[in-house]
Amino acid sequence: QKEVEQNSGPLSVPEGAIASLNCTYSDRGSQSFFWYRQYSGKSPELIMFIYSNGDKEDGRFTAQLNKASQYVSLLIRDSQPSDSATYLCAVNKGDNAGNMLTFGGGTRLMVKP
Amino acid sequence: DTGVSQNPRHKITKRGQNVTFRCDPISEHNRLYWYRQTLGQGPEFLTYFQNEAQLEKSRLLSDRFSAERPKGSFSTLEIQRTEQGDSAMYLCASSLPYWNTIYFGEGSWLTVV
Repeated sequence: QKEVEQNSGPLSVPEGAIASLNCTYSDRGSQSFFWYRQYSGKSPELIMFIYSNGDKEDGRFTAQLNKASQYVSLLIRDSQPSDSATYLCAVNKGDNAGNMLTFGGGTRLMVKP
Repeated sequence: DTGVSQNPRHKITKRGQNVTFRCDPISEHNRLYWYRQTLGQGPEFLTYFQNEAQLEKSRLLSDRFSAERPKGSFSTLEIQRTEQGDSAMYLCASSLPYWNTIYFGEGSWLTVV
């Protein structure tokens, strides 16, 4: 079992729709959770992070965390073609390895005009 | 405000040659990380520094990989006797201490032929 799992996709949504991206993790001791966006051939860029159970909103993005079920999700409202990218979920265990992040394999999102 | 800078951006090398990548972190960040990303996968943690101290290196892929940060500023990642399987994007990231949001550089692409 991978430590962080994501459906590789592609997830295809029409422009203006809500895109829902999901991620599960195996280590119950994980403390913080991150979503990165990565365009083809580019490096990951941070979208948002979440530490506590519940929802966290930032503009068109909402991160949701459920530690009991060990999943974290990202909702993108009013999806735009420019949102087409791979979305990486990352988990920090909060152990001695500093800010070591364990990444999932990413979900490829395609927003169709 | 300059971000994390990596050089060279692209490197093509023959199998068996040594390569070195350089990373200049964001100026006030004293934590520096190296990750590797292969096609279709999420970034994989390799090592990290706090100032000049390499606090985690057990994830380096083999003894052909080494990293340094001699003065606590820039860092280098060296791969000796490169193999075709080393072809990947090598990502550097940095962060403030006790703050687990990391920011990636643009990456250095390595192709071993």
